[in-house]
Amino acid sequence: ETGVTQSPTHLIKTRGQQVTLRCSSQSGHNTVSWYQQALGQGPQFIFQYYREEENGRGNFPPRFSGLQFPNYSSELNVNALELDDSALYLCASSLGQAPGAEAFFGQGTRLTVV
Amino acid sequence: ILNVEQSPQSLHVQEGDSTNFTCSFPSSNFYALHWYRWETAKSPEALFVMTLNGDEKKKGRISATLNTKEGYSYLYIKGSQPEDSATYLCAFWMDSSYKLIFGSGTRLLVRP
Repeated sequence: ETGVTQSPTHLIKTRGQQVTLRCSSQSGHNTVSWYQQALGQGPQFIFQYYREEENGRGNFPPRFSGLQFPNYSSELNVNALELDDSALYLCASSLGQAPGAEAFFGQGTRLTVV
Repeated sequence: ILNVEQSPQSLHVQEGDSTNFTCSFPSSNFYALHWYRWETAKSPEALFVMTLNGDEKKKGRISATLNTKEGYSYLYIKGSQPEDSATYLCAFWMDSSYKLIFGSGTRLLVRP
């Protein structure tokens, strides 16, 4: 096990609603990244938080937002849910932002939008 | 658009077979190449992080090589076992982008 935990594990929401997903990073890790994995694709980078600040963002609209807390845990918020937001959402923690830093993943939250 | 391509998409082998997968990535602005193993209902698990051209890394029966000049990495599994069945993902880190760009993975099934 990686020590990265995500909650909830599964979630069903209605189109137009808002959702918050949570991630507890591995002890000592100050960097959290979020990814969306749609069926049949690899994980797509949403954004990264380092010491409570967003320092990198993928090609996702502003209705995808996040937070990182002083204990380095993190939230992903998605507003105005669309059917295409149905996916597995993964968070990964690492020690620092270096390209060589190994990322430790949680098991993901499966979001279904109906 | 940056693409990371993995081949084959899926692979079925018999226990004891050796196998290899390919990951192709842009050869410019290379910073690092990550390999992950992802078993069903579990978290992706890091296998290797490779940063230097010509790198070769090994963990048990699994090894990987890296060619940054031509933009590819190979993952080898020697004597495949049923417990090796998983999706193998590679991810490319480009310059100071702070993000991993993943391929779609190779799904390996090892039959007893």
